[in-house]
Amino acid sequence: GDSVTQMEGPVTLSEEAFLTINCTYTATGYPSLFWYVQYPGEGLQLLLKATKADDKGSNKGFEATYRKETTSFHLEKGSVQVSDSAVYFCAPRGYSTLTFGKGTMLLVSP
Amino acid sequence: NAGVMQNPRHLVRRRGQEARLRCSPMKGHSHVYWYRQLPEEGLKFMVYLQKENIIDESGMPKERFSAEFPKEGPSILRIQQVVRGDSAAYFCASSRGRGHQETQYFGPGTRLLVL
Repeated sequence: GDSVTQMEGPVTLSEEAFLTINCTYTATGYPSLFWYVQYPGEGLQLLLKATKADDKGSNKGFEATYRKETTSFHLEKGSVQVSDSAVYFCAPRGYSTLTFGKGTMLLVSP
Repeated sequence: NAGVMQNPRHLVRRRGQEARLRCSPMKGHSHVYWYRQLPEEGLKFMVYLQKENIIDESGMPKERFSAEFPKEGPSILRIQQVVRGDSAAYFCASSRGRGHQETQYFGPGTRLLVL
């Protein structure tokens, strides 16, 4: 079945630092790729998505590019804020469902 | 423009009782998905339903768990004779259509605690 590997957290950064969260996946077929963010005690919010190879998804300063040849979808942000502290999930979507990894916790200090 | 709604937000049950979790999808969405999140884990798919039909239940435990999405009303995830291992956050998501490009939008979750 499909699977996702994300870098272990927590990732600890100072405000305005550059962020990269690595994500690689295995999937049958040609999935769409999603990043979701979860704040404490809340549900998942869609952060960005890409539906085909070389597409770049972007939102709120976050970006990720669909790399089919390396089966990767790494999340980047040029300058993080304290309010970006949350758990980030990479998820390929097959025909029916999303497949989630364990997520990566990001902690940003002032 | 309400999002996905779930209730209750928190549910406490004693072992052996039944738990009923409700999910109302976003307006215009007819596809509903249930996921379970155990502590320190990612979300695991349970079941995918479209109005009155179960499309994929490959993630549902074989016993005690059932789901429905009737023609009228919310989707229900039902857990009979709960055990401590059922304690988790249960999330519902909905989408407008089917297919890998469709975005799933998540509700706030129901946190089930089994005593």
